[in-house]
Amino acid sequence: GQNIDQPTEMTATEGAIVQINCTYQTSGFNGLFWYQQHAGEAPTFLSYNVLDGLEEKGRFSSFLSRSKGYSYLLLKELQMKDSASYLCAVPRGSYIPTFGRGTSLIVHP
Amino acid sequence: GAGVSQSPSNKVTEKGKDVELRCDPISGHTALYWYRQSLGQGLEFLIYFQGNSAPDKSGLPSDRFSAERTGGSVSTLTIQRTQQEDSAVYLCASSLDGVGETQYFGPGTRLLVL
Repeated sequence: GQNIDQPTEMTATEGAIVQINCTYQTSGFNGLFWYQQHAGEAPTFLSYNVLDGLEEKGRFSSFLSRSKGYSYLLLKELQMKDSASYLCAVPRGSYIPTFGRGTSLIVHP
Repeated sequence: GAGVSQSPSNKVTEKGKDVELRCDPISGHTALYWYRQSLGQGLEFLIYFQGNSAPDKSGLPSDRFSAERTGGSVSTLTIQRTQQEDSAVYLCASSLDGVGETQYFGPGTRLLVL
C-alpha cells in the first residue's frame, strides 16, 4: 500500500525560503511528483524526481532520498502568489499516483 | 494548445438524482484519470483509463459510480442516485501514456448534492 505524510500547514514570510517535507512508504517506487494547487483551482505540475538528489528549477527545487522514503520541496525568494497547497504524489504501481493531503503554505508580507 | 476541459464547471443536484460529468483530455494523451477532492482533503483516485485496455476501477467508492471513455478520448463519469457525501470537486487529468508521466488537470466540476 501507500502512505504519504506531509505537514498540514506552514507559514512563511515574503522573500524567505521554505522547505516542505514529504515522507512516503510504498511497495514499489516509480518516482515522486510535486504539484501546486491554488485555492479553487486544479493542481499544476511542479517537479518529478525518480533519482536521488536535488533538482533545481528556478525558485523551486525538489529533493529525493529513496533509501529514506523522503522528499522535500524548497521554495526560495517566496512571493505572495506562492500561497497555495503543495501536493506530494507517489505512483502506485506504474501509473496511479497516490496523493498526500497537501501542505497549505501561507506567505505573509 | 488546448488543455484538459471539464463540464459542467458547477452542478447542483438533489439527493437521489443521477449526474454525468464530462472530461475532454489533451489530444494525443492516452491516459485519463478521474479524482475526487473533498473540502480540505487530498485527491482521491477514482478510475484510470489507458488506451484500449480495461480501465482500473479500483478507486470507485461504490457501484453507484461508473465511467466510460469513448474512442479513447472523451470520458464521462456517472454518479447514480447521488448522496450528500458525493459533494466534492471531481477532477479529470490526462497524461501522455500514464507511466511516470506528468498529469495535466482540468479545472474540475464542483458537485453539490442537496
